[in-house]
Amino acid sequence: DAKTTQPNSMESNEEEPVHLPCNHSTISGTDYIHWYRQLPSQGPEYVIHGLTSNVNNRMASLAIAEDRKSSTLILHRATLRDAAVYYCILRDPPWVSGANNLFFGTGTRLTVIP
Amino acid sequence: EPEVTQTPSHQVTQMGQEVILRCVPISNHLYFYWYRQILGQKVEFLVSFYNNEISEKSEIFDDQFSVERPDGSNFTLKIRSTKLEDSAMYFCASSETGPSESTEAFFGQGTRLTVV
Repeated sequence: DAKTTQPNSMESNEEEPVHLPCNHSTISGTDYIHWYRQLPSQGPEYVIHGLTSNVNNRMASLAIAEDRKSSTLILHRATLRDAAVYYCILRDPPWVSGANNLFFGTGTRLTVIP
Repeated sequence: EPEVTQTPSHQVTQMGQEVILRCVPISNHLYFYWYRQILGQKVEFLVSFYNNEISEKSEIFDDQFSVERPDGSNFTLKIRSTKLEDSAMYFCASSETGPSESTEAFFGQGTRLTVV
């Protein structure tokens, strides 16, 4: 699995936007970029994923660089409930791996300051 | 919203004993997984299961581990002879399959296994 690099930790003030970066310089043309998060004492939770185009959903936005070597997860207004570890994960498309396994790194621990 | 449920939430067992961790995946999902997270460490893949057989497993998933889908709704992880180093949070997950690119995995809340 291709590697991703994320900062160990970030802080944000409540109700401000948060930009969580991820570098994946060895990404292949068919790797999807997935983001999961893990709230304290809970299982991982899907946030968003994309391939080439920027993506929006109710939780966040994903901005993907034109060369796909980096991406940024954007939380538009951080709340205290967004305090979690955020994982950027590269995945093969379903027709390549078939099993959809996830390989987690150490992620970015986001602290939201009231 | 459908969810993956795991039981028990916490299990304490003596070293050398067998444990079975139970999971009920989301009903229309076809792929099932077990992951573990040792305290303070990252989430590690153990095994994936599809069409009643293991499709992939990690180096962690040795002969002491086994998985089963005994009745079409439950998905279990058995550890035959637990060691102290098996103490961890174990997460079950499930996902749909098919031609869609949406391969979101849904995780349960985990079972904390403590081996004493």
